[in-house]
Amino acid sequence: TQLLEQSPQFLSIQEGENLTVYCNSSSVFSSLQWYRQEPGEGPVLLVTVVTGGEVKKLKRLTFQFGDARKDSSLHITAAQPGDTGLYLCASEGGTSYGKLTFGQGTILTVHP
Amino acid sequence: SAVISQKPSRDICQRGTSLTIQCQVDSQVTMMFWYRQQPGQSLTLIATANQGSEATYESGFVIDKFPISRPNLTFSTLTVSNMSPEDSSIYLCSVERGGVTGASGAFFGQGTRLTVV
Repeated sequence: TQLLEQSPQFLSIQEGENLTVYCNSSSVFSSLQWYRQEPGEGPVLLVTVVTGGEVKKLKRLTFQFGDARKDSSLHITAAQPGDTGLYLCASEGGTSYGKLTFGQGTILTVHP
Repeated sequence: SAVISQKPSRDICQRGTSLTIQCQVDSQVTMMFWYRQQPGQSLTLIATANQGSEATYESGFVIDKFPISRPNLTFSTLTVSNMSPEDSSIYLCSVERGGVTGASGAFFGQGTRLTVV
């Protein structure tokens, strides 16, 4: 089972600030997913990165996949209180897309 | 996208009792997955449920504690047996996004918040 190290565990920032969350592994990812989870809900997929060096943007969120496919980052520009939640990176195991190993998660709180 | 409904959404149970969580999907899927999310933590896969065969459990999880049923391609149940306070967690079911599209990742239900007292 691939181990994912996610950091930081907690982030508390003011509205308008930028932030970056990191996800690393000692082994190569076949692909890497980022999810966001709000209280009382299940995780919702934000993006999947597959190609080394890939950069994907989703409004104010920028996702990067390392060239060696061992690390990924999520950068949020000008954070808003609506960005508050638990952010999770995950990798797929075996032959099933739904069998996921998750990082420890980053609890983000954006204060107005 | 798949719509996944879980019941109950939350429950408070006495130690030593069992709770069965239901998961209903709005389309037929080959595999369903059950995860546990302990308070303030990330998700850990409990087992994979295939229709017509026994569930496959991950290390640290056993069938006697977490029996799973998968009677058809749209429904599954997870039972948490002989509960103790350590079983207090959020339990989530999920399905693959892919199917014929081959998309990676998963859809999740809203979770069942279990508190054992």
